[in-house]
Amino acid sequence: VVLTQSPGTLALSPGERGTLSCRASQSISGSYLAWYQQRPGQAPRLLMSDESSRATGTADRFSGSGSGTVFTLTIDRLEPEDFAVYYCHYQDTFGQGTRLE
Amino acid sequence: VQLVESGGGLVQTGGSLRLSCTASGFMFSSYAMHWVRQAPGKGLEWISHVSSSGSTIYYADSVKGRFTISRDNVRNLVSLQMNSLRGDDTAVYYCARNGVKATFDHWGQGVMVTVSS
Repeated sequence: VVLTQSPGTLALSPGERGTLSCRASQSISGSYLAWYQQRPGQAPRLLMSDESSRATGTADRFSGSGSGTVFTLTIDRLEPEDFAVYYCHYQDTFGQGTRLE
Repeated sequence: VQLVESGGGLVQTGGSLRLSCTASGFMFSSYAMHWVRQAPGKGLEWISHVSSSGSTIYYADSVKGRFTISRDNVRNLVSLQMNSLRGDDTAVYYCARNGVKATFDHWGQGVMVTVSS
């Protein structure tokens, strides 16, 4: 499976909504689709698992959706700490990342 | 939960290095563990998995035959022996705990490996 994220870079302002896309090269189970956040100089952090379940400590402004080959991470009311790189992940494969700036 | 990697550094092409990850704060022997790497300025690449007992091991094709993962459930340690290192192995190496639905639910801070000729 190849995961392709879009856009590569997303430029938004605090308070706006961010919509990040992850497209799989073949239909996958959303139960195994996860999202990670990586802030500069830090290790990645699990954000969402099971496509739409927030990990411990993930704010409720983060939501996940999708099925089959197209999955979306939505961030409502962007906060300054949300500006980071986001990766989708399925089994042993990561997307290339979306930089939210 | 805490994962602390060590053992990184500068090594010549063709050389070897052994990374270690010491775990604490959870029942280490109950969790599979992974190594994931990130080349400078690049994305994340999963490279190896070891099951909770150590009996099941997987590698990415990029490291198969060169890297060996192992674990010690008495010392709460997972290791990555890296041989025949190449320039494209230069990366930050993270150990990560296997979470629900095959996620990586906790990560170490990472350790830098630089392979130079």
